[in-house]
Amino acid sequence: AQSVAQPEDQVNVAEGNPLTVKCTYSVSGNPYLFWYVQYPNRGLQFLLKYITGDNLVKGSYGFEAEFNKSQTSFHLKKPSALVSDSALYFCAVRAFGGATNKLIFGTGTLLAVQP
Amino acid sequence: DTAVSQTPKYLVTQMGNDKSIKCEQNLGHDTMYWYKQDSKKFLKIMFSYNNKELIINETVPNRFSPKSPDKAHLNLHINSLELGDSAVYFCASSQVTLETQYFGPGTRLLVL
Repeated sequence: AQSVAQPEDQVNVAEGNPLTVKCTYSVSGNPYLFWYVQYPNRGLQFLLKYITGDNLVKGSYGFEAEFNKSQTSFHLKKPSALVSDSALYFCAVRAFGGATNKLIFGTGTLLAVQP
Repeated sequence: DTAVSQTPKYLVTQMGNDKSIKCEQNLGHDTMYWYKQDSKKFLKIMFSYNNKELIINETVPNRFSPKSPDKAHLNLHINSLELGDSAVYFCASSQVTLETQYFGPGTRLLVL
């Protein structure tokens, strides 16, 4: 079964420090991987995606993610966290070759950046 | 211009009532979706339409009925509302070949 796991419910980091939000996936076939961010009382905003090509993907607001096929991971990173990065982050996966464009979302990781 | 819009933003209603949520996208996408986000923020797809044709129908009670009058609109009608229907409902759209989905701001439904 296709699935995506975000092992941490919450990540705490001090402003200015690097941050990592973890995501692992399980799919048959080549994965399409996505990160979305949800600010309080808002909809999800697309951050970045990996479909093919370079394993390091750069996205919005200075975020990047590294696709690691051997570890089936797609961790979200940022070199220097801002207080305004505090939000709920979702990893999602779509397996290539399926009949429909259906995304499976992880359970979300709350990022809290302390000033 | 808002890319994906939903109305209403908030919906408070009594158990047993029937209500509708509307969604419109001006991105020219051919696929639209409804998601439900529960109180624990878990996000799950409910329905998807491609060019007005239903292509995803997850295990959702048949009290929920989506309707797509055209490619730019996908509405959700809910009959006989129950307490457990309280959630945030998100509409999204994508151009299939591009995969990325764009979400609306959500409709917060509270059933009393």
